[in-house]
Amino acid sequence: SQQGEEDPQALSIQEGENATMNCSYKTSINNLQWYRQNSGRGLVHLILIRSNEREKHSGRLRVTLDTSKKSSSLLITASRAADTASYFCATPTGKLIFGQGTTLQVKP
Amino acid sequence: IAGITQAPTSQILAAGRRMTLRCTQDMRHNAMYWYRQDLGLGLRLIHYSNTAGTTGKGEVPDGYSVSRANTDDFPLTLASAVPSQTSVYFCASSDLLCLFFGSGTQLSVL
Repeated sequence: SQQGEEDPQALSIQEGENATMNCSYKTSINNLQWYRQNSGRGLVHLILIRSNEREKHSGRLRVTLDTSKKSSSLLITASRAADTASYFCATPTGKLIFGQGTTLQVKP
Repeated sequence: IAGITQAPTSQILAAGRRMTLRCTQDMRHNAMYWYRQDLGLGLRLIHYSNTAGTTGKGEVPDGYSVSRANTDDFPLTLASAVPSQTSVYFCASSDLLCLFFGSGTQLSVL
């Protein structure tokens, strides 16, 4: 079974809007990571949040972590067409296990 | 070479044939992984290697084998390909925290 599960499975927004996607996981973690995958390409690491952090920023990305609810959210502000991609959360359980991802479409 | 290189980028294979997907990294990472990605199923771990000379089974290891003779190379072999192994295969290496992915191999088994 997957350790990370993203929600929603698909999201479509207009350029300039914010996009929020969520991730739930099952076991205790040391950190949680978000990756992006452009169509047909390998995943690219976006941001890592440690279990003792509640929020982390990187450019237009904001990640939150709630260890009591075993959930994380990724917020992309002021979205651009180039943000169109699939986004995955991953939690290290000895070996990194990925969820099925959220497919984000940003319309120009 | 910069990062992780996979070869071939795509392959059409007859069922029953043997195939080796190649993966090479130049970052001197100890850990390497093979994933397959299928629509609706996300990324699933096939095999991994924490260091040269050791390998381990992931979620879906059946029908696949790996070897890790040195730090840089981590080939994935399908001994006798079946149509259910049609997928996109990604190799990755790790700096103990984050994964770095190759561009993938699109494999079709007919």
